Amino acid sequence: EAGVTQSPTHLIKTRGQQATLRCSPISGHTSVYWYQQALGLGLQFLLWYDEGEERNRGNFPPRFSGRQFPNYSSELNVNALELEDSALYLCASSSPRVVDTQYFGPGTRLTVL
Amino acid sequence: AQSVAQPEDQVNVAEGNPLTVKCTYSVSGNPYLFWYVQYPNRGLQFLLKYITGDNLVKGSYGFEAEFNKSQTSFHLKKPSALVSDSALYFCAVRDSISSGSARQLTFGSGTQLTVLP
Repeated sequence: EAGVTQSPTHLIKTRGQQATLRCSPISGHTSVYWYQQALGLGLQFLLWYDEGEERNRGNFPPRFSGRQFPNYSSELNVNALELEDSALYLCASSSPRVVDTQYFGPGTRLTVL
Repeated sequence: AQSVAQPEDQVNVAEGNPLTVKCTYSVSGNPYLFWYVQYPNRGLQFLLKYITGDNLVKGSYGFEAEFNKSQTSFHLKKPSALVSDSALYFCAVRDSISSGSARQLTFGSGTQLTVLP
Protein backbone atom coordinates (compact mmCIF):
# COMPACT_ATOMS: atom_id res chain seq x y z
CA GLU A 1 0.00 0.00 0.00
CA ALA A 2 1.47 3.35 -1.02
CA GLY A 3 1.89 5.89 1.74
CA VAL A 4 1.13 9.58 1.80
CA THR A 5 3.07 11.42 -0.87
CA GLN A 6 3.99 15.08 -0.99
CA SER A 7 5.48 17.29 -3.66
CA PRO A 8 7.77 19.00 -4.13
CA THR A 9 10.38 17.74 -1.67
CA HIS A 10 12.01 21.15 -1.47
CA LEU A 11 10.74 24.56 -2.46
CA ILE A 12 12.68 27.80 -2.44
CA LYS A 13 10.81 31.09 -2.75
CA THR A 14 11.44 34.74 -2.04
CA ARG A 15 9.48 37.02 0.25
CA GLY A 16 6.13 38.06 -1.18
CA GLN A 17 5.83 35.12 -3.56
CA GLN A 18 3.25 32.35 -3.40
CA ALA A 19 3.94 28.70 -2.68
CA THR A 20 1.81 25.68 -3.58
CA LEU A 21 2.35 22.36 -1.84
CA ARG A 22 0.63 19.13 -2.82
CA CYS A 23 -0.40 16.00 -0.96
CA SER A 24 -1.83 12.66 -2.02
CA PRO A 25 -3.39 10.61 0.77
CA ILE A 26 -3.31 6.88 1.25
CA SER A 27 -5.88 5.17 -0.94
CA GLY A 28 -9.22 5.02 0.88
CA HIS A 29 -8.41 7.90 3.21
CA THR A 30 -10.79 10.83 2.98
CA SER A 31 -9.27 13.20 5.54
CA VAL A 32 -6.16 15.27 4.94
CA TYR A 33 -4.40 17.32 7.59
CA TRP A 34 -1.66 19.92 7.15
CA TYR A 35 0.88 20.73 9.85
CA GLN A 36 3.76 23.18 10.00
CA GLN A 37 7.00 22.15 11.69
CA ALA A 38 9.09 25.25 12.14
CA LEU A 39 12.40 25.27 13.97
CA GLY A 40 11.80 25.77 17.66
CA LEU A 41 8.00 25.80 17.34
CA GLY A 42 7.20 22.13 17.12
CA LEU A 43 4.32 20.73 15.10
CA GLN A 44 1.43 23.13 14.64
CA PHE A 45 -1.91 22.25 13.09
CA LEU A 46 -2.78 24.24 9.98
CA LEU A 47 -5.80 22.80 8.19
CA TRP A 48 -8.08 19.76 8.08
CA TYR A 49 -10.03 18.71 4.99
CA ASP A 50 -12.56 15.93 4.85
CA GLU A 51 -14.75 14.91 1.93
CA GLY A 52 -13.74 18.01 0.04
CA GLU A 53 -14.63 20.47 2.77
CA GLU A 54 -12.45 22.50 5.11
CA ARG A 55 -13.42 21.25 8.58
CA ASN A 56 -11.08 23.21 10.80
CA ARG A 57 -8.08 25.50 10.69
CA GLY A 58 -5.39 26.32 13.19
CA ASN A 59 -4.22 29.70 14.38
CA PHE A 60 -2.68 30.84 11.11
CA PRO A 61 -3.43 33.93 9.02
CA PRO A 62 -5.77 33.73 6.00
CA ARG A 63 -2.84 33.77 3.58
CA PHE A 64 -2.55 30.07 4.44
CA SER A 65 -5.28 28.33 2.50
CA GLY A 66 -5.93 25.14 0.66
CA ARG A 67 -8.40 22.81 -0.88
CA GLN A 68 -9.21 19.16 -1.28
CA PHE A 69 -9.98 17.70 -4.67
CA PRO A 70 -12.60 15.04 -5.56
CA ASN A 71 -9.86 12.37 -5.50
CA TYR A 72 -9.08 13.49 -1.90
CA SER A 73 -5.67 14.91 -2.77
CA SER A 74 -4.99 18.31 -1.32
CA GLU A 75 -3.17 21.51 -1.99
CA LEU A 76 -1.79 24.02 0.50
CA ASN A 77 -1.28 27.56 -0.72
CA VAL A 78 0.75 30.15 1.11
CA ASN A 79 0.43 33.69 -0.24
CA ALA A 80 2.63 36.70 0.43
CA LEU A 81 5.42 34.56 1.81
CA GLU A 82 7.30 35.79 4.86
CA LEU A 83 10.69 34.66 6.12
CA GLU A 84 9.08 32.96 9.13
CA ASP A 85 7.07 30.70 6.81
CA SER A 86 10.26 28.70 6.28
CA ALA A 87 9.47 25.28 7.70
CA LEU A 88 8.78 21.64 6.99
CA TYR A 89 5.14 21.26 5.94
CA LEU A 90 3.72 17.87 6.73
CA CYS A 91 0.59 16.33 5.32
CA ALA A 92 -1.23 13.47 7.00
CA SER A 93 -4.23 11.39 6.03
CA SER A 94 -6.65 9.24 7.95
CA SER A 95 -9.42 6.81 7.21
CA PRO A 96 -12.93 7.10 8.59
CA ARG A 97 -12.78 3.38 9.39
CA VAL A 98 -9.68 3.52 11.61
CA VAL A 99 -10.13 5.82 14.54
CA ASP A 100 -7.92 8.84 14.31
CA THR A 101 -4.62 7.31 13.22
CA GLN A 102 -2.98 9.88 11.03
CA TYR A 103 -0.28 8.73 8.64
CA PHE A 104 2.24 11.30 7.56
CA GLY A 105 4.01 12.03 4.33
CA PRO A 106 7.71 12.91 4.08
CA GLY A 107 7.03 16.63 4.05
CA THR A 108 7.90 19.62 1.86
CA ARG A 109 10.76 21.80 3.01
CA LEU A 110 9.85 25.41 2.21
CA THR A 111 12.62 27.97 2.36
CA VAL A 112 11.76 31.65 2.03
CA LEU A 113 14.67 33.94 1.17
CA ALA B 1 -8.47 22.66 25.26
CA GLN B 2 -6.08 19.75 24.91
CA SER B 3 -2.36 19.80 25.57
CA VAL B 4 0.66 17.53 25.73
CA ALA B 5 3.88 17.90 27.68
CA GLN B 6 7.13 16.11 27.00
CA PRO B 7 9.26 17.25 29.92
CA GLU B 8 12.60 16.09 28.52
CA ASP B 9 14.09 17.68 25.42
CA GLN B 10 16.85 15.08 25.33
CA VAL B 11 17.17 11.52 26.60
CA ASN B 12 20.42 9.58 26.40
CA VAL B 13 20.64 5.85 27.02
CA ALA B 14 23.24 3.17 26.41
CA GLU B 15 22.54 0.52 23.82
CA GLY B 16 20.93 -2.52 25.41
CA ASN B 17 19.50 -0.56 28.32
CA PRO B 18 15.79 0.10 28.75
CA LEU B 19 14.51 3.46 27.59
CA THR B 20 11.62 5.66 28.66
CA VAL B 21 10.36 8.79 26.95
CA LYS B 22 7.86 10.68 29.07
CA CYS B 23 4.55 12.22 28.08
CA THR B 24 1.72 13.77 30.06
CA TYR B 25 -1.52 15.10 28.63
CA SER B 26 -4.58 17.16 29.37
CA VAL B 27 -7.99 16.74 27.74
CA SER B 28 -11.57 17.40 28.75
CA GLY B 29 -12.85 13.90 28.09
CA ASN B 30 -11.17 10.59 27.44
CA PRO B 31 -7.93 10.76 25.48
CA TYR B 32 -6.80 9.21 22.25
CA LEU B 33 -3.00 9.06 22.58
CA PHE B 34 -0.31 8.49 19.98
CA TRP B 35 3.44 8.18 19.64
CA TYR B 36 5.28 9.08 16.47
CA VAL B 37 8.97 8.98 15.57
CA GLN B 38 10.79 11.32 13.20
CA TYR B 39 14.15 10.62 11.63
CA PRO B 40 16.20 13.57 10.28
CA ASN B 41 14.58 15.34 7.33
CA ARG B 42 11.75 12.83 7.25
CA GLY B 43 8.06 12.81 8.06
CA LEU B 44 6.54 11.27 11.16
CA GLN B 45 6.16 7.51 11.46
CA PHE B 46 3.31 6.11 13.54
CA LEU B 47 4.50 3.89 16.41
CA LEU B 48 1.44 3.11 18.52
CA LYS B 49 -1.81 4.43 19.90
CA TYR B 50 -4.13 4.10 22.87
CA ILE B 51 -7.84 4.38 22.20
CA THR B 52 -9.42 2.21 24.88
CA GLY B 53 -8.88 -1.11 26.64
CA ASP B 54 -5.62 -2.53 27.92
CA ASN B 55 -3.42 0.15 29.47
CA LEU B 56 -0.26 -1.40 28.00
CA VAL B 57 -0.08 -0.83 24.27
CA LYS B 58 2.43 -2.57 22.03
CA GLY B 59 3.60 -0.99 18.82
CA SER B 60 6.19 -1.10 16.07
CA TYR B 61 9.90 -1.89 16.48
CA GLY B 62 9.48 -3.32 20.00
CA PHE B 63 8.12 -0.12 21.51
CA GLU B 64 5.30 -0.07 24.03
CA ALA B 65 3.53 2.57 26.05
CA GLU B 66 1.59 2.53 29.28
CA PHE B 67 -1.55 4.60 29.72
CA ASN B 68 -2.01 5.84 33.28
CA LYS B 69 -5.27 7.72 33.70
CA SER B 70 -4.68 8.85 37.28
CA GLN B 71 -1.32 10.36 36.38
CA THR B 72 -2.50 11.49 32.91
CA SER B 73 0.62 9.95 31.45
CA PHE B 74 1.47 7.89 28.39
CA HIS B 75 5.17 7.08 28.62
CA LEU B 76 6.94 5.32 25.74
CA LYS B 77 9.18 2.42 26.64
CA LYS B 78 11.45 -0.18 25.12
CA PRO B 79 13.17 -2.96 27.08
CA SER B 80 16.44 -2.84 25.14
CA ALA B 81 17.48 0.23 23.15
CA LEU B 82 19.21 0.09 19.78
CA VAL B 83 21.47 2.73 18.24
CA SER B 84 19.00 2.83 15.34
CA ASP B 85 16.29 4.02 17.77
CA SER B 86 18.03 7.40 17.93
CA ALA B 87 15.47 9.89 16.61
CA LEU B 88 12.97 12.56 17.62
CA TYR B 89 9.87 11.22 19.37
CA PHE B 90 6.52 12.99 19.54
CA CYS B 91 3.57 12.28 21.77
CA ALA B 92 0.15 13.47 20.54
CA VAL B 93 -3.35 13.61 21.95
CA ARG B 94 -6.93 14.09 20.83
CA ASP B 95 -10.02 14.30 22.99
CA SER B 96 -12.34 11.41 22.18
CA ILE B 97 -15.41 13.58 22.73
CA SER B 98 -14.27 16.33 20.42
CA SER B 99 -16.79 17.46 17.94
CA GLY B 100 -16.11 17.21 14.26
CA SER B 101 -14.38 20.56 14.39
CA ALA B 102 -11.48 19.35 16.49
CA ARG B 103 -10.14 16.09 15.13
CA GLN B 104 -6.62 17.36 14.69
CA LEU B 105 -3.86 16.11 16.93
CA THR B 106 -2.07 18.23 19.48
CA PHE B 107 1.61 17.35 19.65
CA GLY B 108 4.18 17.63 22.38
CA SER B 109 7.41 19.51 21.73
CA GLY B 110 9.34 16.33 21.03
CA THR B 111 12.10 14.42 22.79
CA GLN B 112 15.41 13.72 21.08
CA LEU B 113 16.47 10.19 21.96
CA THR B 114 20.13 9.31 21.57
CA VAL B 115 21.22 5.71 22.06
CA LEU B 116 24.92 5.47 22.69
CA PRO B 117 26.87 2.44 21.43
